[in-house]
Amino acid sequence: NAGVTQTPKFRVLKTGQSMTLLCAQDMNHEYMYWYRQDPGMGLRLIHYSVGEGTTAKGEVPDGYNVSRLKKQNFLLGLESAAPSQTSVYFCASSYGPDDPYLDEQYFGPGTRLTVT
Amino acid sequence: AQTVTQSQPEMSVQEAETVTLSCTYDTSESNYYLFWYKQPPSRQMILVIRQEAYKQQNATENRFSVNFQKAAKSFSLKISDSQLGDTAMYFCACSSGNTPLVFGKGTRLSVIA
Repeated sequence: NAGVTQTPKFRVLKTGQSMTLLCAQDMNHEYMYWYRQDPGMGLRLIHYSVGEGTTAKGEVPDGYNVSRLKKQNFLLGLESAAPSQTSVYFCASSYGPDDPYLDEQYFGPGTRLTVT
Repeated sequence: AQTVTQSQPEMSVQEAETVTLSCTYDTSESNYYLFWYKQPPSRQMILVIRQEAYKQQNATENRFSVNFQKAAKSFSLKISDSQLGDTAMYFCACSSGNTPLVFGKGTRLSVIA
């Protein structure tokens, strides 16, 4: 099993450009999450999904959109990148479905995004 | 809303010694889990240990153990016989039946040879 994978690993964008980060998991997990990690801030939840076709806002959703068209994939989109979105982005998944937030989360390796 | 506070931004410990990382949390839920995640320089997030709030017995995983004080809302991590490979950022986190994981800001631990 590959676990949780993220594409790309690194990306540099200019202000105003758009991009999509792809997260894939092969563990048949119901729940998937996108976090951002900034120095001194820990991990903050951007959006999450409780199953195929569902999405929900986390703590810092502004400027991002997500889609979960397939159970194994969770996409994070930046429509018009801003320097404030320079960060390391982590995807995670957990099994669910009975006590979804009580399950261990499995993390991808992260994507380092720089917006100039 | 849940909050998690780690009051020690950085700590260091000599190899083979014991170190304790502090974490306090706040939640209004009666059923919740507490976690410690490790992030080494490779950036990969790794689960170290997990505690179920309704269990009074402190969780242990080899050299890692927790001191869970429910009334004080405290959840500290003790690392015994520290090894160079324990050098990492350590994040305390809390989740409940209705709320996804909330992370603290982390403690950077350096193990010194």
